[in-house]
Amino acid sequence: RKEVEQDPGPFNVPEGATVAFNCTYSNSASQSFFWYRQDCRKEPKLLMSVYSSGNEDGRFTAQLNRASQYISLLIRDSKLSDSATYLCVVNSDAGNMLTFGGGTRLMVKP
Amino acid sequence: DAGVTQSPTHLIKTRGQHVTLRCSPISGHKSVSWYQQVLGQGPQFIFQYYEKEERGRGNFPDRFSARQFPNYSSELNVNALLLGDSALYLCASSLIAGEQYFGPGTRLTVT
Repeated sequence: RKEVEQDPGPFNVPEGATVAFNCTYSNSASQSFFWYRQDCRKEPKLLMSVYSSGNEDGRFTAQLNRASQYISLLIRDSKLSDSATYLCVVNSDAGNMLTFGGGTRLMVKP
Repeated sequence: DAGVTQSPTHLIKTRGQHVTLRCSPISGHKSVSWYQQVLGQGPQFIFQYYEKEERGRGNFPDRFSARQFPNYSSELNVNALLLGDSALYLCASSLIAGEQYFGPGTRLTVT
C-alpha cells in the first residue's frame, strides 16, 4: 500500500464547477499536510498547508480528518487556469521528509 | 528575493557516467532537500541536509550522494548512471521544518 494515495483522475470539469479531491495517508504519526500544484513539466508549487481545523484560501478549501487519515481539497468556481496536477503531501517524520501522492490531474474546460 | 535556483536545467548523459546537480536555496533557508520525479509519478525523497549535515535519506542506492556547503547551497551526485535514473531532479528549500519551496528542477536524460 502506498503511503499517500490519490485518485489519478483526470477530472474533466467545466468552468465554474466545484471539484473535490481526496487523499488518504497510511502513517498515523504524520504531522504536517500540504497540497501542492504542479503544471506540466514544471516544479511543484505550494498551494496551501492543511490544518486540523480546516482552512480556506479564496476558492480553495482544505480539510484534514486525522481519525480517518484523510485529506481533501475543494476548488470552487473552477477557472481554466486551475488545470494542473494536484499533489497531496504528508510530512511523516520529525525531520522534513515529504511524502507525495501520485497526483490528481484536473482539466477545466470552457 | 530570488527563489530556489538549480543548474543545469537539462542534461543528457550516457549509462555509466556520473552527474552533479546544483541547488541554491532561498536566502535565509538553511535546509535543502532533493527529490526525484519520474514521469507520471509524484516526487520521491532522496536526501535532506541541514547545516551541512545529512538529516534524512530516502530509499535510494549508494550511487546517490549529496553534500551541503557553508553557504547552504547543495550538490547531488549520481554515479554509474542507469537508464532508470532519467527523471526530473528537484531541490527544495526550507527552514528546518515546515513548508518546502521547489526549484525548477534539472531534467536528466540517460541514454
